[in-house]
Amino acid sequence: NAGVTQTPKFQVLKTGQSMTLQCAQDMNHNSMYWYRQDPGMGLRLIYYSASEGTTDKGEVPNGYNVSRLNKREFSLRLESAAPSQTSVYFCASSPEGAGTLSGNTIYFGEGSWLTVV
Amino acid sequence: GNSVTQMEGPVTLSEEAFLTINCTYTATGYPSLFWYVQYPGEGLQLLLKATKADDKGSNKGFEATYRKETTSFHLEKGSVQVSDSAVYFCASRSNDYKLSFGAGTTVTVRA
Repeated sequence: NAGVTQTPKFQVLKTGQSMTLQCAQDMNHNSMYWYRQDPGMGLRLIYYSASEGTTDKGEVPNGYNVSRLNKREFSLRLESAAPSQTSVYFCASSPEGAGTLSGNTIYFGEGSWLTVV
Repeated sequence: GNSVTQMEGPVTLSEEAFLTINCTYTATGYPSLFWYVQYPGEGLQLLLKATKADDKGSNKGFEATYRKETTSFHLEKGSVQVSDSAVYFCASRSNDYKLSFGAGTTVTVRA
């Protein structure tokens, strides 16, 4: 049972380099998310995609772009990495469309540790 | 918007001790409430949830009751084990796409 799979697990970038974090889910979920986790701040939403073909900004979108490639895949791109983007990134998905939105559980991938030097 | 405040850690306990992690929320309307757990080097896993007032979520010996009158969702376990060492996150979600997290509480259980 793969669930939410994200790659790479670890990456070191130099300031100004670009990279894309890949995410795929095999649960046929409608909604997908990218969060970042920083010490003492919990998780903060970067972008989300409520359904295939749509994307919206979350709390901290600056410096990032996303692509909902199809229902399964949702990628996060750093065009010009900065040290402030050193963080742990989590992709997640949720089965919106069935029942009350608020009650749906969001399922997380295992995380991608990104260091920008 | 929604926000969640949870007890700051770290919390260090001995095996078989009682664990409580406080969580309070602010929200418009009536959100669903969640506890997620993150074991070292892993992603977040849902531990339990409650979707309406007075609901009790439970899993793996952990419990939390949705208290509307005190806007709280405190996590409790009567007898912790070393394997419960992890970071615990309280979260709330209203009828939008955003899950609001607390800052997380690191729990260490010693044998």
